[in-house]
Amino acid sequence: GESVGLHLPTLSVQEGDNSIINCAYSNSASDYFIWYKQESGKGPQFIIDIRSNMDKRQGQRVTVLLNKTVKHLSLQIAATQPGDSAVYFCAENIESSASKIIFGSGTRLSIRP
Amino acid sequence: DTAVSQTPKYLVTQMGNDKSIKCEQNLGHDTMYWYKQDSKKFLKIMFSYNNKELIINETVPNRFSPKSPDKAHLNLHINSLELGDSAVYFCASSPGTGGLFFGEGSRLTVL
Repeated sequence: GESVGLHLPTLSVQEGDNSIINCAYSNSASDYFIWYKQESGKGPQFIIDIRSNMDKRQGQRVTVLLNKTVKHLSLQIAATQPGDSAVYFCAENIESSASKIIFGSGTRLSIRP
Repeated sequence: DTAVSQTPKYLVTQMGNDKSIKCEQNLGHDTMYWYKQDSKKFLKIMFSYNNKELIINETVPNRFSPKSPDKAHLNLHINSLELGDSAVYFCASSPGTGGLFFGEGSRLTVL
């Protein structure tokens, strides 16, 4: 079926610690994956992406890992800061010809001081 | 300069009314989308247009009619509004390869 799943609605992390947000996807033909951050009252913002021919990609304080064998995607945020508080979505492009991007159910990341 | 802008930001209306949401992007992208976000934050794709042509239509009721007068604009018209249409509607654009750039959302409340 067409689904990108996040099973945990909330993740609480101590400020300064690393955060790991996980995502399972079901479409093995998906060739492109993206993580988005959505702050309250705003639209989702692009964080980082990865293509299916890669298994790891790093950005500034963020790393995305892709495991195609088990259809798993993760977002790692280093040294989590209060400004990282948001809802995080993974998304996948399930039809590259039409750029059909579907979203998982989201994980809320809250930061403890 | 706002890359993807949508209006209005808030819309409160009665059941049965007809309303429109407008979207414009100044990124020069060929592809534009409408997504619906429900109260549980789930984002569901509704429509996608590429250079004014409809390419994705996701089992959305006929009461929803998108219109793209040019590739920089994608409007959403909703007829006979129902309670279940209450949601935040997001417009997005894409260069075709790569991710989506979202607007700030239009919160529709149907009473």
